[in-house]
Amino acid sequence: RKEVEQDPGPFNVPEGATVAFNCTYSNSASQSFFWYRQDCRKEPKLLMSVYSSGNEDGRFTAQLNRASQYISLLIRDSKLSDSATYLCVVNNFNKFYFGSGTKLNVKP
Amino acid sequence: DTGVSQDPRHKITKRGQNVTFRCDPISEHNRLYWYRQTLGQGPEFLTYFQNEAQLEKSRLLSDRFSAERPKGSFSTLEIQRTEQGDSAMYLCASSLDSLRGREGDEQFFGPGTRLTVL
Repeated sequence: RKEVEQDPGPFNVPEGATVAFNCTYSNSASQSFFWYRQDCRKEPKLLMSVYSSGNEDGRFTAQLNRASQYISLLIRDSKLSDSATYLCVVNNFNKFYFGSGTKLNVKP
Repeated sequence: DTGVSQDPRHKITKRGQNVTFRCDPISEHNRLYWYRQTLGQGPEFLTYFQNEAQLEKSRLLSDRFSAERPKGSFSTLEIQRTEQGDSAMYLCASSLDSLRGREGDEQFFGPGTRLTVL
């Protein structure tokens, strides 16, 4: 079983839509969690950390459910510039495991 | 630019040759990671350093792969006797072990070295 699993998508949504991604992880002892964004042929860039209490950054909201071992990312009011691959990342004792990514296409 | 840098950005080599990649982390970061990424997949952990000590190596890292961080600053990743299956993007990332707890150990990635083995 993979450490981190994500729906690969693609999610095709119109501008202004709200879209949600989920990610599940297998190790209940995982310590920290992140969402990264990766544009085509570029390096991953940190979008946001996911804190136990959940956190929000502008149009982006991340939540963690330790009991069910999943992480979510909600994007409100999607912009064309949000089109990218979103990677879920889990830290297990300083080994970082990445999901395969969920591709988002925001259409005009 | 004070981000993570990698050199070269692209490398084309013939099967059986040795290649070496360099990573310069953000200067105050004490942790450095190497990953490999192939098309359609997320980065796969290869190894990481805390200062100059190599603390973890993935089973993905065969005997043909070796990484060093001799002075706790830049790092090199060497692949000996390259195979076509080694073709991938090799990413380096750095982070600061801030001792403030596990939340917030963000990694910052370099642009990667794209390796093509012919």
